[in-house]
Amino acid sequence: EDQVTQSPEALRLQEGESSSLNCSYTVSGLRGLFWYRQDPGKGPEFLFTLYSAGEEKEKERLKATLTKKESFLHITAPKPEDSATYLCAVQGNPGGGADGLTFGKGTHLIIQP
Amino acid sequence: ETGVTQSPTHLIKTRGQQVTLRCSSQSGHNTVSWYQQALGQGPQFIFQYYREEENGRGNFPPRFSGLQFPNYSSELNVNALELDDSALYLCASSVFTQETQYFGPGTRLLVL
Repeated sequence: EDQVTQSPEALRLQEGESSSLNCSYTVSGLRGLFWYRQDPGKGPEFLFTLYSAGEEKEKERLKATLTKKESFLHITAPKPEDSATYLCAVQGNPGGGADGLTFGKGTHLIIQP
Repeated sequence: ETGVTQSPTHLIKTRGQQVTLRCSSQSGHNTVSWYQQALGQGPQFIFQYYREEENGRGNFPPRFSGLQFPNYSSELNVNALELDDSALYLCASSVFTQETQYFGPGTRLLVL
């Protein structure tokens, strides 16, 4: 069974204070690891897909990295508008055909001005 | 390009009733997945539809059922509603050969 654990559960930073969010996973044959941003009461907004260890992707102040056991979402010089819940998900290999994503519980990030 | 849309945005039902939620997939996408998100939790996979057939299911009972239509839109039906079914229901669309799923805004269901 695929599992995703995210830490910390909540993180409060000052504006401009860089940090990293962690996503540890166990999966049978990784097909993809995904990061989403979710604002309260809204659907998850896609950020990144990573496919193999060593891969990195960047978008504005966010950078996602992947190893064989975990992924990090680095946030550099965050602004208050980066406040949200960040969700990590994996898709394993079910032996054929597409399947659902397994999500962690998310990290609730608050950036104070 | 039109994103994923869902209707209704909010819904209130009583225990034992039935509910139908609707989803229109993003332009160019042929696969629809449904998720349930309880408060403070990550989304949980309910099932996925491709070519109008169920293509994978999570750990949800048979009273959760779905349909996909020729235009790739989809419905989620829940029978015999229970209090624990109160949640945000999310629809995600994708291209079958690609892994990335794009989510709609969700339908907030409250069961009293």
